[in-house]
Amino acid sequence: GENVEQHPSTLSVQEGDSAVIKCTYSDSASNYFPWYKQELGKGPQLIIDIRSNVGEKKDQRIAVTLNKTAKHFSLHITETQPEDSAVYFCAAPYDSWGKLQFGAGTQVVVTP
Amino acid sequence: DAGITQSPRHKVTETGTPVTLRCHQTENHRYMYWYRQDPGHGLRLIHYSYGVKDTDKGEVSDGYSVSRSKTEDFLLTLESATSSQTSVYFCAISLASASYEQYFGPGTRLTVT
Repeated sequence: GENVEQHPSTLSVQEGDSAVIKCTYSDSASNYFPWYKQELGKGPQLIIDIRSNVGEKKDQRIAVTLNKTAKHFSLHITETQPEDSAVYFCAAPYDSWGKLQFGAGTQVVVTP
Repeated sequence: DAGITQSPRHKVTETGTPVTLRCHQTENHRYMYWYRQDPGHGLRLIHYSYGVKDTDKGEVSDGYSVSRSKTEDFLLTLESATSSQTSVYFCAISLASASYEQYFGPGTRLTVT
């Protein structure tokens, strides 16, 4: 099975600074790595994902990088804003039926 | 929330009582999932379904059962609720297993006293 570890568990940044969250995975066959954002009282929302055939993907202020050799992938948020405050989860598939193994989450707090 | 509704949104029940949570989707997605979310554990898969009447167990299935008699509805039942099942439950859908993209509902907060 897959084991996903996520760090840090909490991250406090000043508005305008960058935030980086890192996840490691164990199954070298994994080929899809999503990131979810969860605001208080809501369900997780898919914000970006990357497949194993690319090393980086960007969408405005967020980006994800993948290092298959080291088996880790990271979420980068640039020019953070108060609305980026949320819990972020990474995940990796642990079988071919689409089941995902989630990291424990990172609480990001952006202070003005 | 990708056309997903969950009911009830909040429920308080007593230990030993049966509880059924409902997930309803409007977009005809084949794959549906039930997760529970607890502090420090992220999201853990309880059961999933890959079609009508086709279901299978996930990581934390003990004490839970599911049914899917229609494409749009996926029911999660706690046969005899215990305090350890106090959690937030999320339903998710996916168009196809190969894509892995999952979209989540708003959640149900269940408290077992």
